[in-house]
Parts: sequence; C-alpha cells; structure tokens
Amino acid sequence: GAVVSQHPSWVICKSGTSVKIECRSLDFQATTMFWYRQFPKQSLMLMATSNEGSKATYEQGVEKDKFLINHASLTLSTLTVTSAHPEDSSFYICSARRQTGYTFGSGTRLTVV
Amino acid sequence: GENVEQHPSTLSVQEGDSAVIKCTYSDSASNYFPWYKQELGKGPQLIIDIRSNVGEKKDQRIAVTLNKTAKHFSLHITETQPEDSAVYFCAAVPYNDYKLSFGAGTTVTVRA
Repeated sequence: GAVVSQHPSWVICKSGTSVKIECRSLDFQATTMFWYRQFPKQSLMLMATSNEGSKATYEQGVEKDKFLINHASLTLSTLTVTSAHPEDSSFYICSARRQTGYTFGSGTRLTVV
Repeated sequence: GENVEQHPSTLSVQEGDSAVIKCTYSDSASNYFPWYKQELGKGPQLIIDIRSNVGEKKDQRIAVTLNKTAKHFSLHITETQPEDSAVYFCAAVPYNDYKLSFGAGTTVTVRA
C-alpha cells in the first residue's frame, strides 16, 4: 500500500515550452503533497507544499509563476514548469504525506533543450 | 528551521561488513526521523523510521537508534550486500511542521 505514481518518468522539451508533471496517490488520500528538485549528487530541495483545495506554499527563492502547482483533488497534484529553460533541467520528485509518514514518487527527469 | 547534518558523505564497505551512517538535528521539537534509500534515477524509498518516543528500532538487517538528548540518530546496516549500494538520506520532521528536512546524503558502496 501507500503508492505514489509520478508521470512522466522523463521528458525532453524545447526552451520556452511548458511541461506538466503529475503526482497521484493511488491507494490513499493525500491532503498535503510536496514537490522537490534534486540536482546530481545533491540532496532533495523542497520547492513547495501543495495543499488540496488551496494555494501552494512556495519555499524562498522558488518562482511561483514559473512552477505552477495545482492540487485539485485528494489524490492528484500537478507541477507545471512554464516557459522552461535549460537551467530548469533537473530531477523533480513529489511526495505525499500520510498519517504514518511520507511516500515519494519515482521522480521525473526533465531535460530542456 | 530544522537543520540536519549527515556523515559520512561516502562510505565503502566490504560485503558482509556493517555500515553506519550518523545524523544530527538542531530542532529539539523534531519527533519523526525517517531514513530513505535512493537508487540512481529513482525516488527515495523509506527503509526505516523512528519516532521520538522510541530509542531503537530494528527491521531485519537494518536498525536505527535515536538519542534525543544529544539530538542525533544513526542508521546501522549489518551483513551488507551489493544491493545495499545506493544513496541514503536521513530526515527529521518537527512536531509542529510537516516538512521533511533532509541530510546531505551518504553514498554507500558495497564491494563484492
């Protein structure tokens, strides 16, 4: 149990385009989800906290207009990288909070060319 | 906010030996301490966790110890196997916050 499905697992897009990443909790309801960014050989950096039915809370330094987060249901949160540029290339990971802990998605490798 | 330090950054052990990773945290209000294993190109997977009302927890070859007074917790892997090779992250969560604060990670290599 406690599975978080993240799609796509990898995506290549052109500079200036937008990319949407989905994070679904398959067998539990998640009122709170988190989005992380991870650079090679580094730890996970929290980008924002996504709360169902309300606006996301962004960490300091994260551009909310660039990284749009929507948490419209108790099982789905999406991250849209708008007007992507090569510096946005990274590994993006979502996580869902449960009563007993946190479950992570499998991550999305974004490459902007 | 919470600050978690993790050591060592890399660890190489012979198959069958034990591996120990140590973390310290700064916020005495933290009460949940998970450990995650991350393989290349994948998301972190929970391997064991401990709450502040417990001093030690064990699951087969994996154990975690917590010293609240000293504000540090450790991961112990016994009888290491090549499939234990991965990056391991410790984390801490204060009781009044939902955010995980991660350590910098430890790259474990088990030599066959």
